[in-house]
Amino acid sequence: DAGVIQSPRHEVTEMGQEVTLRCKPISGHDYLFWYRQTMMRGLELLIYFNNNVPIDDSGMPEDRFSAKMPNASFSTLKIQPSEPRDSAVYFCASSLAPAGGLDEQFFGPGTRLTVL
Amino acid sequence: QKEVEQNSGPLSVPEGAIASLNCTYSDRGSQSFFWYRQYSGKSPELIMFIYSNGDKEDGRFTAQLNKASQYVSLLIRDSQPSDSATYLCAVNTRGSTLGRLYFGRGTQLTVWP
Repeated sequence: DAGVIQSPRHEVTEMGQEVTLRCKPISGHDYLFWYRQTMMRGLELLIYFNNNVPIDDSGMPEDRFSAKMPNASFSTLKIQPSEPRDSAVYFCASSLAPAGGLDEQFFGPGTRLTVL
Repeated sequence: QKEVEQNSGPLSVPEGAIASLNCTYSDRGSQSFFWYRQYSGKSPELIMFIYSNGDKEDGRFTAQLNKASQYVSLLIRDSQPSDSATYLCAVNTRGSTLGRLYFGRGTQLTVWP
């Protein structure tokens, strides 16, 4: 299996521009998570999906952020308009349906976003 | 608020020593516990999980869980410079947040030769 795939790996954009991050989870995984990691705040969960349905979006910072999962093999995280404080590494992760209490999450390589 | 706290570090140990990483959690309903390792510039990768009280050993790594004290730890024996990384503790809870993990801020470990 190729693991979780994210694109782009690096994104540099100017304030006010729209940014779209993409994720392909591991085939067969029912859960998909979007995280943001910064030095100041660590790893923060933004939103997660179960069977393509958003379950908890309480971590989405504000209305500028939106996420979709149109099918089991693809998700996007969109920031519009972007701001310099959005600069961070964004990780996508996926996991199988919880069984026996095990919810191992597999992380993608991340997208390093820089907003100038 | 479900909180996961880790010893803030950074932790520095000599090669060959035992590194001890600690984590406490606030939600007594937590059922599974994970240790992720993250090298600088890389994504977190799972190294251990535990869900029963006691010790679980995997090579040089031992995870320890005490649910009564809401405490989980990771011991790294015979530490190697290649173990230098940030270690993230993650905890699962149940109920409305089924499937979600809560992560600590991480402890940065440096193993010096």
